[in-house]
Amino acid sequence: GEDVEQSLFLSVREGDSSVINCTYTDSSSTYLYWYKQEPGAGLQLLTYIFSNMDMKQDQRLTVLLNKKDKHLSLRIADTQTGDSAIYFCAESKAAGNKLTFGGGTRVLVKP
Amino acid sequence: EPEVTQTPSHQVTQMGQEVILRCVPISNHLYFYWYRQILGQKVEFLVSFYNNEISEKSEIFDDQFSVERPDGSNFTLKIRSTKLEDSAMYFCATISGEQFFGPGTRLTVL
Repeated sequence: GEDVEQSLFLSVREGDSSVINCTYTDSSSTYLYWYKQEPGAGLQLLTYIFSNMDMKQDQRLTVLLNKKDKHLSLRIADTQTGDSAIYFCAESKAAGNKLTFGGGTRVLVKP
Repeated sequence: EPEVTQTPSHQVTQMGQEVILRCVPISNHLYFYWYRQILGQKVEFLVSFYNNEISEKSEIFDDQFSVERPDGSNFTLKIRSTKLEDSAMYFCATISGEQFFGPGTRLTVL
């Protein structure tokens, strides 16, 4: 079955870059997502990438995909205190299919 | 910007009671989902719903669970006889290309 894994915790200084890593097992994963969850809140879609892409940039966010190694990363440039949250990666086989989530990475931004 | 809404935000119930969690999807979206997140654990898929029927369900979604779109706008998740282990955040999601999540309902079973 599908499995998505993430490291549990990342601490970063304000203004530095954050890199959150994710690995997945299912080579048929077609869509890969990054969601942000702030305390007590729902899941906010940050960005996503199709499996035929290597990189996607969206303002401060850069997603890198290594399909051979089944490795996905999210880089946040110039990390701000408002970026403190739990970040989930997720995969699906196709649009309209269920999402399989990783366990989330808690990012703490220190001033 | 259109958004998915869920009610109530927090539901407390006694074990064995029935609960109905409500979601109002984004109006032109066609696929609807329920997920749950037990405190400190992964977000888990429960069920997907398309064209007024279940398209996929997980092994968590047993006979105690049901979904319905009673009036063309609301999308509900019913748990017939709640157990302590049903305590979790329940998220509704709808899709039009990407999945948009509601803010969740925190269910506490005592």
